[in-house]
Parts: sequence; C-alpha cells; structure tokens
Amino acid sequence: DGGITQSPKYLFRKEGQNVTLSCEQNLNHDAMYWYRQDPGQGLRLIYYSQIVNDFQKGDIAEGYSVSREKKESFPLTVTSAQKNPTAFYLCASSMSTDTQYFGPGTRLTVL
Amino acid sequence: AQSVAQPEDQVNVAEGNPLTVKCTYSVSGNPYLFWYVQYPNRGLQFLLKYITGDNLVKGSYGFEAEFNKSQTSFHLKKPSALVSDSALYFCAVRPWINAGNMLTFGGGTRLMVKP
Repeated sequence: DGGITQSPKYLFRKEGQNVTLSCEQNLNHDAMYWYRQDPGQGLRLIYYSQIVNDFQKGDIAEGYSVSREKKESFPLTVTSAQKNPTAFYLCASSMSTDTQYFGPGTRLTVL
Repeated sequence: AQSVAQPEDQVNVAEGNPLTVKCTYSVSGNPYLFWYVQYPNRGLQFLLKYITGDNLVKGSYGFEAEFNKSQTSFHLKKPSALVSDSALYFCAVRPWINAGNMLTFGGGTRLMVKP
C-alpha cells in the first residue's frame, strides 16, 4: 500500500446521502485514479486525473464526482444519483505513464 | 478497445507444486502488461510488469510471467507454491501508446494453495 492512504476504511451511507472518500499520496505522483471493485468482478475505472485541476471520466463516472485541487489529494464523492454504490473503492497513483500503485481501499455500504 | 481475459475463476494447487495463472489480452499495438495480487479487504499490490525486452519477467515473491506475443498471453507462474500465496490475482493491460495510462483489468483469478 506504500504512501497512499484512503479513509475511512469502512463507510456506511443512508439512501439519498452524498459521501466523500479520501485519497492522499506522498509519492509525488502526477496521476491519480479511482476504481470500483464489485464481488467477482475486476476493477472498473471511475475517474482519473493526470495533473492538478484536471480530471477525466472513466468507464463508470455516472453518480460520482471528483476534485484535484492539490497534487497529493484526489477525493471521490459518491452522490445520491449513484443507484448502487455498495462496493469496494480503490484509489491509485502513478508517475504519468508508469506503474499504478494502490491504496488499501474503502468499503462503502448503503444501509 | 483493449480487453483482458482470465479464463479461470479459481486455481487450486498443492503447496510445493508449480502454479500457473492464465491471462490473455487484446490491445491495439504493443502492450504494457501487469500482474497484481490482492489479499482480503486490501488494496492491490504490484507484482511485475512487461514493457519490452525479455519475454520472461521476474517479479516479487518469486513470481514470474512469460509474455507470448503470438498467443497474446501473459501467464503468471511460480515454481513452488506457498500457502501464503493464496489470494486474488489480477492481470491488466494498456496500450504502449496511451495518453491517460488507463489500465484494463481482467476479472481476477482466486488462487488456493493447500498444505
């Protein structure tokens, strides 16, 4: 897991609530990514950011939002528009086009 | 668009025996290929990658992978399995030319090593 931290480890959300997942890295990496992992499935890309103040949608961006105000931080907000948010969320970072390194993950459960 | 197939949901092997976890890919142009391992309720740990050069890549914890361009495969191998190798393994690919460094992951293979 190295220098990438995610918090909280577990998060519970009520229907209709927005929640924000934190991701911080101290690796001086330019690029950061958010993935969603569902049981029995691989990882799917939600959003990615190659540089501060810029980010791009991935394959499943609907119902999610991000910001990249600082190089070290890439928070993910799961909005009420995301109809099935229960999943394991993984943040990763990399030096531009190099290997991605992952954080320990946040497990989000909708009550 | 690129894709990755891991044809086995689970691989069972006895401790001390060799193991193979299969991966095939589809990508435009030359590939960058990666293997990651995931332990329960943890993030993914990088094992090894192929970019160019020698087709046999050595990585962490005694794992290696062989790139086969004609078969578009990148199978993960280890000569002697340990019980502690039991985990979920993911293969991933991206094209050599990819502005966004976006990886496509396979569905994962669960490796069970029995004593």
